[in-house]
Amino acid sequence: NAGVTQTPKFRILKIGQSMTLQCAQDMNHNYMYWYRQDPGMGLKLIYYSVGAGITDKGEVPNGYNVSRSTTEDFPLRLELAAPSQTSVYFCASSDRGGTYEQYFGPGTRLTVT
Amino acid sequence: QKEVEQNSGPLSVPEGAIASLNCTYSDRGSQSFFWYRQYSGKSPELIMSIYSNGDKEDGRFTAQLNKASQYVSLLIRDSQPSDSATYLCAVNLRGSTLGRLYFGRGTQLTVWP
Repeated sequence: NAGVTQTPKFRILKIGQSMTLQCAQDMNHNYMYWYRQDPGMGLKLIYYSVGAGITDKGEVPNGYNVSRSTTEDFPLRLELAAPSQTSVYFCASSDRGGTYEQYFGPGTRLTVT
Repeated sequence: QKEVEQNSGPLSVPEGAIASLNCTYSDRGSQSFFWYRQYSGKSPELIMSIYSNGDKEDGRFTAQLNKASQYVSLLIRDSQPSDSATYLCAVNLRGSTLGRLYFGRGTQLTVWP
C-alpha cells in the first residue's frame, strides 16, 4: 500500500502559467481533499470530493479547479498562477466509514514568481 | 470565533516532562476529534483520534475529551526530543459535510535534552 501519493514534490511556476498537481490513493477511500498550508498557518481546505464525479468547494477555492473521474485520482488544477498561490499543497483521503480519519500525502511545495 | 482554536505556543519542555496541548472548538455537537503531528517540512500524521468523553491512551500519548466544555487535549508523557513538532487539532464539526475536518493553526512543541 503506497497510501496517498502526490506529484510533483516541488515546482516553480511563473505568474500566469498553469499546472496540475496530481494526487492518487490506493486505499479505496471515497473521500478526498486538497489543502494548502502557508507558513505558520493551519490547513485550509481548497476542494473536496465524496466520490467519483462529485466535488465541492472548501474555504479557499478561487484560482483552483478539480475533477474526480475515478475513486483513486483527484487532480488539482491551477489556472493563471499568482504569487498568492505560493504554498505547500497536501492531498488527503478518508474512508466513508464515519470515523473521518484523514491520511495525508507527502505534499507539493509550489512557488509562483 | 474560529471553529477550532489551539494555544499558539510555542511550547518548550525538558526531556522526560509531560507536554500538554489544548484545543477548543465552536460546536458542542461535534463528534470526531483528532490530533496530528507535523514535523517541519513533512505532511501531517494522524497520532490520536477520540470520539467519546474521557481519556484515550496510546503509549505515551493520552487524548482527553470534554464535550460539555468543548475542549480536547493531548498529553505527551516522558517527552522526547523526537516529539518536537507542530501538533494540529482537527474536528469534524456538527453540521459540516461528512468527512470534512476543521484544523487549528497548530502548537509548536520543542522538547530539549
